[in-house]
Amino acid sequence: DTGVSQDPRHKITKRGQNVTFRCDPISEHNRLYWYRQTLGQGPEFLTYFQNEAQLEKSRLLSDRFSAERPKGSFSTLEIQRTEQGDSAMYLCASSPSAPGELFFGEGSRLTVL
Amino acid sequence: AQSVTQLDSQVPVFEEAPVELRCNYSSSVSVYLFWYVQYPNQGLQLLLKYLSGSTLVESINGFEAEFNKSQTSFHLRKPSVHISDTAEYFCAVKKGGSQGNLIFGKGTKLSVKP
Repeated sequence: DTGVSQDPRHKITKRGQNVTFRCDPISEHNRLYWYRQTLGQGPEFLTYFQNEAQLEKSRLLSDRFSAERPKGSFSTLEIQRTEQGDSAMYLCASSPSAPGELFFGEGSRLTVL
Repeated sequence: AQSVTQLDSQVPVFEEAPVELRCNYSSSVSVYLFWYVQYPNQGLQLLLKYLSGSTLVESINGFEAEFNKSQTSFHLRKPSVHISDTAEYFCAVKKGGSQGNLIFGKGTKLSVKP
């Protein structure tokens, strides 16, 4: 399967714990995006990388959130000191070039108890 | 800044009936427009897109959308729906020529009943 893959698919954690999600984009894509989707809402943009450079961050991305793409391939999204409001589906997408479409993974669902 | 409004959160229709899912966007600059579909328990998939050229774009499974600049709309239509079209549909906009992100609407749940 050569699509965007995300791991883990589901994560249940207690409030205050740290969690990390991984995204492996389609190999030839140099752009990588993170979105968050809550029930009844469309995906909300969090951040965007071109190769290893983080070019844009949403105001939704609080100080507890950090994303990296160290070698311009896979990316990680870490949430520190999780809160119940962080419960959501975290989506990763990749794109080959502008104005190209985004190719989405199936998402990582986070539940904070 | 761009924004997207999907006017209907849920649209129930009977099989073989026509359907229109509405999408309006706001932008002062040229845009690219997309419709994505999310089937139950699956990821988002691109349905169709408008980048330039013909204002009417079609998908392989019978959906079409028309870019209307004067009305800032990109409504999605299908003349005859099937049970398998039951899904959530998201309209999205991107600033023309931009390398940045897509802005999504809140989605419309299409339920096709036999």
